[in-house]
Amino acid sequence: QVQLVESGGTLVRPGESLRLSCAASEFTFSDYYMSWIRQAPGKGLEWVSYISSNSGSSIYYADSVKGRFTISRDNAETSLYLQMNSLRAEDTAVYYCARVGWSSSFYFDFWGQGTLVTVSS
Amino acid sequence: NFMLTQPHSVSESPGKTVTVSCTRRSGSIASSFVQWYQQRPGSAPITLIYEDNRRPSGVPDRFSGSVDSSSNSASLTISGLKTEDEADYYCQSYDSSRVIFGGGTKLTVL
Repeated sequence: QVQLVESGGTLVRPGESLRLSCAASEFTFSDYYMSWIRQAPGKGLEWVSYISSNSGSSIYYADSVKGRFTISRDNAETSLYLQMNSLRAEDTAVYYCARVGWSSSFYFDFWGQGTLVTVSS
Repeated sequence: NFMLTQPHSVSESPGKTVTVSCTRRSGSIASSFVQWYQQRPGSAPITLIYEDNRRPSGVPDRFSGSVDSSSNSASLTISGLKTEDEADYYCQSYDSSRVIFGGGTKLTVL
């Protein structure tokens, strides 16, 4: 069964940086696009970023994080990362790692359990 | 950019059928597939429907998806409602460079 395990979430102050990790297993990681999606407390889902398979040559970000967040992957380590800089209070959320399904559509077929990032002074 | 608009909440009784709508604001609903996710309290989302109306293995056939071009909307229909269906439901679509989620609909089964 596909497993995605996020880590790295914690309490940070505004303006600080944080790196999230997502350890993937039980599937051929390099074959799949991967994505980060977040959910602020009591709010809906917000897509953050995605990265293409293999070399990760295609990367896209939501406007709300563009220029501050960087997504990357290490296929040898079967891991996905999200480097978050210049964090703001509005970045407070549970961050989910998700696999993009192998389909004609663009959708998320498996999700991790999430890691909580709190940005507060 | 486009948006997906969902009703904030719906409610129905056990055993009944409920439909959750997802209206695309700007552009055609048919221009990209729509997906649906279920999120129970305290849990990660799971995929219910992809490519407008396809169910992943393991999802009961009580859940079905459809698209209506005349109303520019997608719908998730849940039949034979169970108390365990009480959850938040999100639609999702995409364009060439971004992914869009609807605001979510809270389903109460009472």
